[in-house]
Amino acid sequence: AQSVSQHNHHVILSEAASLELGCNYSYGGTVNLFWYVQYPGQHLQLLLKYFSGDPLVKGIKGFEAEFIKSKFSFNLRKPSVQWSDTAEYFCAVNSPRTGANNLFFGTGTRLTVIP
Amino acid sequence: EAGVAQSPRYKIIEKRQSVAFWCNPISGHATLYWYQQILGQGPKLLIQFQNNGVVDDSQLPKDRFSAERLKGVDSTLKIQPAKLEDSAVYLCASSLHGGAQNTEAFFGQGTRLTVV
Repeated sequence: AQSVSQHNHHVILSEAASLELGCNYSYGGTVNLFWYVQYPGQHLQLLLKYFSGDPLVKGIKGFEAEFIKSKFSFNLRKPSVQWSDTAEYFCAVNSPRTGANNLFFGTGTRLTVIP
Repeated sequence: EAGVAQSPRYKIIEKRQSVAFWCNPISGHATLYWYQQILGQGPKLLIQFQNNGVVDDSQLPKDRFSAERLKGVDSTLKIQPAKLEDSAVYLCASSLHGGAQNTEAFFGQGTRLTVV
């Protein structure tokens, strides 16, 4: 069974600090990897995704993530956070097999950015 | 492009009552998902439809939950009877289809259910 671990439950940073949120998954086969963000009062939105190719993926709003297959990790990074990045961040994984492509989510990391 | 529409946004019911949620996916999206997000947890898949057929309902508590997508477009999720532990946000999502390179799912704003 697939599972996703996000070890940081709540991260508090000052503006301009660098961000790295951890995500590890357990699944032996080929996976697709995602980071979703949920701003307060809004719906889940896709930040970035990895299907194949370059393991360093760039997403919206200056976010990037690196897929390290040997470590089963897909950590999210941003060099300089802004107050508007305050949100909940979810890592998710699915396996690209025909039929069910549902997402397995981690428990989320709440990011609070202090102005 | 219009997003995934869900209604109602909020619902409060007493335990043992029934409730239904509605979802209209993005036009042209063949795949529709219902997720349950309990406070402090990540979303968990309840059921996935491909057009009007069920692809995966292994996590759906079938003794009380049911879902349908009769015409392959909008969908309803029903809980009957509700329990206190059903309090959660119910998210609907859709994607173009279930193929490997098109698995980006777009989410609605969800329905927050409180069972008292």
